[in-house]
Amino acid sequence: GNSVTQMEGPVTLSEEAFLTINCTYTATGYPSLFWYVQYPGEGLQLLLKATKADDKGSNKGFEATYRKETTSFHLEKGSVQVSDSAVYFCALSPSAGGTSYGKLTFGQGTILTVHP
Amino acid sequence: NAGVTQTPKFQVLKTGQSMTLQCAQDMNHEYMSWYRQDPGMGLRLIHYSVGAGITDQGEVPNGYNVSRSTTEDFPLRLLSAAPSQTSVYFCASSRTGKLYSNQPQHFGDGTRLSIL
Repeated sequence: GNSVTQMEGPVTLSEEAFLTINCTYTATGYPSLFWYVQYPGEGLQLLLKATKADDKGSNKGFEATYRKETTSFHLEKGSVQVSDSAVYFCALSPSAGGTSYGKLTFGQGTILTVHP
Repeated sequence: NAGVTQTPKFQVLKTGQSMTLQCAQDMNHEYMSWYRQDPGMGLRLIHYSVGAGITDQGEVPNGYNVSRSTTEDFPLRLLSAAPSQTSVYFCASSRTGKLYSNQPQHFGDGTRLSIL
């Protein structure tokens, strides 16, 4: 079955530091990949996505590249801010054309805390 | 623009009680789903629906029932609450169909449920 593995957290950084959160996946075919962010007390929000190999998703200074050869979708940001403190989830959606569309598989989440 | 609305936001139940978690969306999305979020485990799919009158089980369906009589509403029923069902529950919706398998899901703000 499909699975997503995220780096263990929590991650604590100082403001303006570089951020990497690792994500690897197991899936058949060509799934779509997502990063969702959850701020305290809120639901999940889509941060970025990539739907095919070598695609780069980007939003709010965050980037992630869909690497088919390493089955990875690592999240990066060059300079984090205090407001980026949240829980980050990597997720995949099965390939188009299958019967499992829409059924997201999530990683366990990574807590990020950014200090001033 | 309401998006996905969940009620209640918080609930405390005694073991053996039943209750219904409400979820409504105003985006005319065909696909709706329920997840539970537990520490260190990410989000796990409970039930989902690809349209009115159609529901199916996800990864962890035991102890929960759903129905989908309208496009807008997708309630989740706990038949006989157990302490193991203490969790945060999220409802999500998205466009569905093979052409939309890469569409992001829109999440509600969650219902925090405690079973004593």
